[in-house]
Amino acid sequence: AQSVAQPEDQVNVAEGNPLTVKCTYSVSGNPYLFWYVQYPNRGLQFLLKYITGDNLVKGSYGFEAEFNKSQTSFHLKKPSALVSDSALYFCAVRDMGGYNKLIFGAGTRLAVHP
Amino acid sequence: DTGVSQNPRHKITKRGQNVTFRCDPISEHNRLYWYRQTLGQGPEFLTYFQNEAQLEKSRLLSDRFSAERPKGSFSTLEIQRTEQGDSAMYLCASSLRADTNTEAFFGQGTRLTVV
Repeated sequence: AQSVAQPEDQVNVAEGNPLTVKCTYSVSGNPYLFWYVQYPNRGLQFLLKYITGDNLVKGSYGFEAEFNKSQTSFHLKKPSALVSDSALYFCAVRDMGGYNKLIFGAGTRLAVHP
Repeated sequence: DTGVSQNPRHKITKRGQNVTFRCDPISEHNRLYWYRQTLGQGPEFLTYFQNEAQLEKSRLLSDRFSAERPKGSFSTLEIQRTEQGDSAMYLCASSLRADTNTEAFFGQGTRLTVV
């Protein structure tokens, strides 16, 4: 069965410091991976995706993610965190069974402190 | 606003009542998904439409749940005889079928509280 794990419930980082939000996946075959962000009382906003090609993917709002096949990971990163980055972050993998539906992790709450 | 629109944003209902939610996808998107998100969890897939055809339903979608997408445009999700366990955020998403690698765009969700 395909799955996504986000091992940290919460990540705390000081403004201006680099941040990493971790994600590992389990799929058969090549994974299609996504990161979404959710602000309070809002829907999910797409940040970036990995389909194929370069292992470092750049996305919205200065975020990037590194795909590592050997470690089955797709960690989200940003060189310099902003207080406004504080939100709930979800990693997802496309279900290879068809129809492009997504399987989400439980989410990681990012708190950026001034 | 040309994004995915969901109504209502919030719904409080008494146990046993029926509720209906609406989703208006991005106009050219022919794929439409419903997800449910409970507190502290990621969204879980409920059902998928390609145009007007409902092609997949999750086992989470009990017989009290029904979804439609008449004419392949907007979609409705109805829950009959609501239970407290139905309290959750219901999210709608849409995407283009033409590009199988495209991302899904989500609406702001309908938060259901069953009291």
